[in-house]
Amino acid sequence: EAGVAQSPRYKIIEKRQSVAFWCNPISGHATLYWYQQILGQGPKLLIQFQNNGVVDDSQLPKDRFSAERLKGVDSTLKIQPAKLEDSAVYLCASSPELAGGNEQFFGPGTRLTVL
Amino acid sequence: AQSVTQPDIHITVSEGASLELRCNYSYGATPYLFWYVQSPGQGLQLLLKYFSGDTLVQGIKGFEAEFKRSQSSFNLRKPSVHWSDAAEYFCAGLDQTGANNLFFGTGTRLTVIP
Repeated sequence: EAGVAQSPRYKIIEKRQSVAFWCNPISGHATLYWYQQILGQGPKLLIQFQNNGVVDDSQLPKDRFSAERLKGVDSTLKIQPAKLEDSAVYLCASSPELAGGNEQFFGPGTRLTVL
Repeated sequence: AQSVTQPDIHITVSEGASLELRCNYSYGATPYLFWYVQSPGQGLQLLLKYFSGDTLVQGIKGFEAEFKRSQSSFNLRKPSVHWSDAAEYFCAGLDQTGANNLFFGTGTRLTVIP
């Protein structure tokens, strides 16, 4: 079974530029998550999708971050414009249904550096 | 507020020695707790989870964790550490007040010396 795929793996941009990350979850997984992991911290949830609907985006900085999951499969996370403090690893995870006790399967992440 | 705390930022152990990584929780209800491991350049992998029942939970890769309500702890243990166990370890809890999302501790980095 293929795992969660993310691209790119690394991205370096200058502040005020835009950037997009892509995630392909495990086939058949209805729930998809985007996390932000700042160096030295644990992952923090940005947004959770159930199929193509948003379940929780309370911690997403909506003035600059946006995410979509068209057709309930792949997802993209965009930052526009980027700030220095957005430097982090962006992790995508998926689970078969609304998490509860279900395991979340994580992708390798995209490491973003904002200069 | 629900939270998990990992008091040790970095731990170094010798290969073959025993390991215990600490996790303390703050919860209003019965906690759902997890341990994840993150190797360099990799995503997080679930080691084990506790929901209820037996307080000693067995996981993958020879890890176990014990839930102690009296101490508000969920410490991860391994009797004999291998060099491949060097990684970052995260304790996490399930937020039961909303959409059942995970909240993570700050992590403990494990270094294994030969």
